[in-house]
Amino acid sequence: ILNVEQSPQSLHVQEGDSTNFTCSFPSSNFYALHWYRWETAKSPEALFVMTLNGDEKKKGRISATLNTKEGYSYLYIKGSQPEDSATYLCALHGSGNTGKLIFGQGTTLQVKP
Amino acid sequence: KAGVTQTPRYLIKTRGQQVTLSCSPISGHRSVSWYQQTPGQGLQFLFEYFSETQRNKGNFPGRFSGRQFSNSRSEMNVSTLELGDSALYLCASSADNYGYTFGSGTRLTVV
Repeated sequence: ILNVEQSPQSLHVQEGDSTNFTCSFPSSNFYALHWYRWETAKSPEALFVMTLNGDEKKKGRISATLNTKEGYSYLYIKGSQPEDSATYLCALHGSGNTGKLIFGQGTTLQVKP
Repeated sequence: KAGVTQTPRYLIKTRGQQVTLSCSPISGHRSVSWYQQTPGQGLQFLFEYFSETQRNKGNFPGRFSGRQFSNSRSEMNVSTLELGDSALYLCASSADNYGYTFGSGTRLTVV
């Protein structure tokens, strides 16, 4: 059974702090790693899809890195803002022939003004 | 460009009843996947449909079923509802088995 682990489970930071979360996954059966941001009462919003070892992607103040050999990905938020408060999910995509994503439990970020 | 539409948004059913949820994907997307989220659990994969065929199935009992129509719209059905089926059900669509767009979900409450 493939298991995706995210840490920490929750995080409280002050506005302006930079923060990072970890997503660990089995390095076998890897096709892609997805990151989503999920705000309460909204649909999960795609942040990044990463496929290559060493990949680094950036979207505004948010960036992510990928290490497929050791099975982890980091998500970084620089200068957190209250609007960054959300649950951040990572999901392992094991094969390009299927739409099955295996999600971690998520990291819930609360940014205090 | 319209997003993924799920109906209804909220539903209350009684134990033993059956329920049908609907998902309309983004135009041109042929893959539709379904996920369940219960309190304290992450998103659990239910099944995926591609061009009207079930391509993959998660570890759920046979009471959970689905189908996809020729216009790519998908429905999932849960028969003989149990209290534990109370959950948020999300669907996601994709054109390329790479990027997935999620709907806002259907919140099912079984009483």
